[in-house]
Amino acid sequence: DTEVTQTPKHLVMGMTNKKSLKCEQHMGHRAMYWYKQKAKKPPELMFVYSYEKLSINESVPSRFSPECPNSSLLNLHLHALQPEDSALYLCASSQDGTGGTDTQYFGPGTRLTVL
Amino acid sequence: EDQVTQSPEALRLQEGESSSLNCSYTVSGLRGLFWYRQDPGKGPEFLFTLYSAGEEKEKERLKATLTKKESFLHITAPKPEDSATYLCAVRKVNKFYFGSGTKLNVKP
Repeated sequence: DTEVTQTPKHLVMGMTNKKSLKCEQHMGHRAMYWYKQKAKKPPELMFVYSYEKLSINESVPSRFSPECPNSSLLNLHLHALQPEDSALYLCASSQDGTGGTDTQYFGPGTRLTVL
Repeated sequence: EDQVTQSPEALRLQEGESSSLNCSYTVSGLRGLFWYRQDPGKGPEFLFTLYSAGEEKEKERLKATLTKKESFLHITAPKPEDSATYLCAVRKVNKFYFGSGTKLNVKP
């Protein structure tokens, strides 16, 4: 089973709202990732967690706050977003993320619209 | 500079018309080249991983090959359900470098 699940599928929020995106995997993977994807563009890496520790933050604005409560769960907390943050947010996981040749498996994404 | 370039940007084929998609890269310390298929509004679906030059992998109508500077995704006798965007990604340590994708449209 190579399934990564994400909730919600769609989210509409105002610029003053606080919301969270959730991601879960049960493949025993120890690395998890958040990507942002705008229409007709490739995914852009935001954060990488390896063994539940944040290992990469690609200079993402502080209005995005990641959290990894355990090795199976990854959250992305959203606060005071801008309309330009509207995008498809993708979660992925891989074996360990510390190198090697392991494959990233992606979830179906959360379509976020900021009004 | 680490870079991944895919061509063409878009490809329109008739059903049964075979063709190839290209992914060229200038990433040092390559640790795998990955092909994904992505349908509109959905997450990328893993297709293949290639690790070394000369390696080939096949799955149904798709065949991926790798040289030292590029990879090809060959599509043999495509069907309309093969229509999607095909993404190539190169791994360097724990980061993926994605190409911009090739949008394939297969007409019946």
